Amino acid sequence: GGIITQTPKFLIGQEGQKLTLKCQQNFNHDTMYWYRQDSGKGLRLIYYSITENDLQKGDLSEGYDASREKKSSFSLTVTSAQKNEMAVFLCASSIRGGAYAEQFFGPGTRLTVL
Amino acid sequence: GDSVTQMQGQVTLSEDDFLFINCTYSTTWYPTLFWYVQYPGEGPQLLLKVTTANNKGISRGFEATYDKGTTSFHLQKASVQESDSAVYYCVLAPGNMGYKLTFGTGTSLLVDP
Repeated sequence: GGIITQTPKFLIGQEGQKLTLKCQQNFNHDTMYWYRQDSGKGLRLIYYSITENDLQKGDLSEGYDASREKKSSFSLTVTSAQKNEMAVFLCASSIRGGAYAEQFFGPGTRLTVL
Repeated sequence: GDSVTQMQGQVTLSEDDFLFINCTYSTTWYPTLFWYVQYPGEGPQLLLKVTTANNKGISRGFEATYDKGTTSFHLQKASVQESDSAVYYCVLAPGNMGYKLTFGTGTSLLVDP
């Protein structure tokens, strides 16, 4: 087994601020993902990284940057926080098997912008 | 592009009731369909995977199948328990071996004891 750790659990920022969310996994998985979860909506993919040196944009990448520092860690930066970005950000990892592979999720970072 | 429609936003049942959640999907590819479940305070976790139409996926008392003719897939359980209270997502995987899952909007199940 393994675990995905997301830090911080709660993040409060000011409008226009640059904010960074971090994710660590010890599954030894190749592929990692960042999703945004808004109330009443499904999960939407922001960025994913197939392997350690890869970075791919998802459907919601505008306003975000991502960085895969090493195999076990994947960071997401909100480049300029906006009031309508109050949401939960979920990190996930999987083996390198495309979307057929089971994704394992962390507990999330809840972002509030004042 | 791919899409998933999950109409039931909230379902309230009593213990031992029958659960049925339905989704419809649209894709140009041969689909693989999942159900993920999210308990309060946790991230989603895989509940079931169905790779072939009309074949059942079974896990933890839940069953899932999909119907290519009606492009629908559903999740059912004969007798729900309070511990099944959670949000259930139907999820479509692209048949082109891509990495982007398409999530439904989720069904929040509340089971009264």
